[in-house]
Amino acid sequence: NAGVTQTPKFRVLKTGQSMTLLCAQDMNHEYMYWYRQDPGMGLRLIHYSVGEGTTAKGEVPDGYNVSRLKKQNFLLGLESAAPSQTSVYFCASSYVPAPYNEQFFGPGTRLTVL
Amino acid sequence: GNSVTQMEGPVTLSEEAFLTINCTYTATGYPSLFWYVQYPGEGLQLLLKATKADDKGSNKGFEATYRKETTSFHLEKGSVQVSDSAVYFCARENDYKLSFGAGTTVTVRA
Repeated sequence: NAGVTQTPKFRVLKTGQSMTLLCAQDMNHEYMYWYRQDPGMGLRLIHYSVGEGTTAKGEVPDGYNVSRLKKQNFLLGLESAAPSQTSVYFCASSYVPAPYNEQFFGPGTRLTVL
Repeated sequence: GNSVTQMEGPVTLSEEAFLTINCTYTATGYPSLFWYVQYPGEGLQLLLKATKADDKGSNKGFEATYRKETTSFHLEKGSVQVSDSAVYFCARENDYKLSFGAGTTVTVRA
């Protein structure tokens, strides 16, 4: 099992460019999450999904869109990148939600927006 | 809101020293509580958890006790090793999602 994988690992964008971050899991998990990690602020939930074809907003959804067309994949899109979106992005998945099971995290994507 | 506050770092210790990282949570109901650890260059992984008051979670020599009366879930380890150098996050359940603290960076020197 590869667990949770994220593509790409690093990316540099210019303001206004768009990109998609891909998260894939091979554990047949129903729940998937996108977080951003910023210094001094811990992890903040951007969007999440409770199953294939569903998405929901988290704590900081503005400027991001997501899609869950296949159970194993959860895509995070930035339509028009801004410097404030410079961050490390983590994807996570779980079979059932907290508190009943742990979330498994990917290795992260470091995004810089110039 | 449903928040978590943990002690600010960074924390620097010598090998075999005692480690405590304080964590408190807002007391809306009785949420499950977690400690996650992030080793350099990696994603987070669950270290331990407690699901009800007075529960003690433990793993890899780390312990944390769910204290309802003080709304706390402090992480402790009696003798740290260099390999414990990492960022530690306290988290609470929040409507089947997780709310994380800001993280505490711990560096253990040989």
